[in-house]
Amino acid sequence: KQEVTQIPAALSVPEGENLVLNCSFTDSAIYNLQWFRQDPGKGLTSLLLIQSSQREQTSGRLNASLDKSSGRSTLYIAASQPGDSATYLCAVRPPSYNTDKLIFGTGTRLQVFP
Amino acid sequence: EPEVTQTPSHQVTQMGQEVILRCVPISNHLYFYWYRQILGQKVEFLVSFYNNEISEKSEIFDDQFSVERPDGSNFTLKIRSTKLEDSAMYFCASSDEGTGNYEQYFGPGTRLTVT
Repeated sequence: KQEVTQIPAALSVPEGENLVLNCSFTDSAIYNLQWFRQDPGKGLTSLLLIQSSQREQTSGRLNASLDKSSGRSTLYIAASQPGDSATYLCAVRPPSYNTDKLIFGTGTRLQVFP
Repeated sequence: EPEVTQTPSHQVTQMGQEVILRCVPISNHLYFYWYRQILGQKVEFLVSFYNNEISEKSEIFDDQFSVERPDGSNFTLKIRSTKLEDSAMYFCASSDEGTGNYEQYFGPGTRLTVT
């Protein structure tokens, strides 16, 4: 059974720092991995999706990498800003012939202070 | 930019009552999903829906739950007889996999409180 874990659970940093958020999954057979941002009491905003055949994806100050064989993905946030404060979730999708559901991690709660 | 919308934003109901949560997926999307998040816990998959039928459902999605696409724009989740443990944030999502875009787009959620 696929399990997704995110470390650290919480992170507090000063503005301007470069950050790495980690996501681990137990079964390397995935179809894709998606990173989301969740603001308190709000919905999920999709940040990046990495297909299983890809190594990384970039969007602005965000870069997500995928190492399927080791069951890891990292989300790199460059030059963090207070507006980046939110909970970051990763979610994996098992191979498409089985399912199209997403299996979510526990999230990393990020606080960036001025 | 197109987005998934959900109504109501907050629903309070008494145990045993029926509730219907409504979603309007992105207009050209064909794949629809419901997830839920109990306070302080992970987001959990409930059900996926394609071509007017359920594609997959989780163990949570028992006989008390049902989904429907009553018209060309709405997608609903019905809970027949709510329990206290149904209190959670319910998220609707949609995707357009037919074009090769597998990204799932989520709505803002409906907070369901069962008293």
